[in-house]
Amino acid sequence: EAGVVQSPRYKIIEKKQPVAFWCNPISGHNTLYWYLQNLGQGPELLIRYENEEAVDDSQLPKDRFSAERLKGVDSTLKIQPAELGDSAVYLCASSDPGTTQETQYFGPGTRLLVL
Amino acid sequence: SQQGEEDPQALSIQEGENATMNCSYKTSINNLQWYRQNSGRGLVHLILIRSNEREKHSGRLRVTLDTSKKSSSLLITASRAADTASYFCATVLISGSRLTFGEGTQLTVNP
Repeated sequence: EAGVVQSPRYKIIEKKQPVAFWCNPISGHNTLYWYLQNLGQGPELLIRYENEEAVDDSQLPKDRFSAERLKGVDSTLKIQPAELGDSAVYLCASSDPGTTQETQYFGPGTRLLVL
Repeated sequence: SQQGEEDPQALSIQEGENATMNCSYKTSINNLQWYRQNSGRGLVHLILIRSNEREKHSGRLRVTLDTSKKSSSLLITASRAADTASYFCATVLISGSRLTFGEGTQLTVNP
């Protein structure tokens, strides 16, 4: 079974530029999460999707961050414009409410560096 | 804000020794989970313990939960160099479904 796939793995951009991250969850997993992980810290939830509906986006900075999961499968997280402080690892995870929603499966992350 | 706090922040041991990491939290939980993260990788789920459980085992892992002290510990027995990673505890509150991570313990197992 393929795991959670994320791309790109690394991204270097200049501040004020836009950037997008893509995530393909494990097949059949209806719940998808985007996390932000700063160096030396644990992940922090940005947004959670149940199918195509964003059910928890209270920690998503909506002035510059946006996300979508149009068909309830793949998801894209966008930052526009990026700031220096956005340099971090962006993790995608998925879970299956049919088995145990509490266990999340993480992708390898996208490491973003904003110059 | 971080719900869980791990202790110690960093731990260095020799191969074959046991490693113990602790996690404290503030608010009543539904369950507590431990995850491992190798450098440059995503997190891997290790074990989940529910609020009505006191101890769980999985291979060389032993997790305890003390809800009266709002704390948990993760014991890795007979450690291996491959156990070198960051270990995070994460909690799910009774009142919600969000997984909230601590800041992690960096474990180094020296061969």
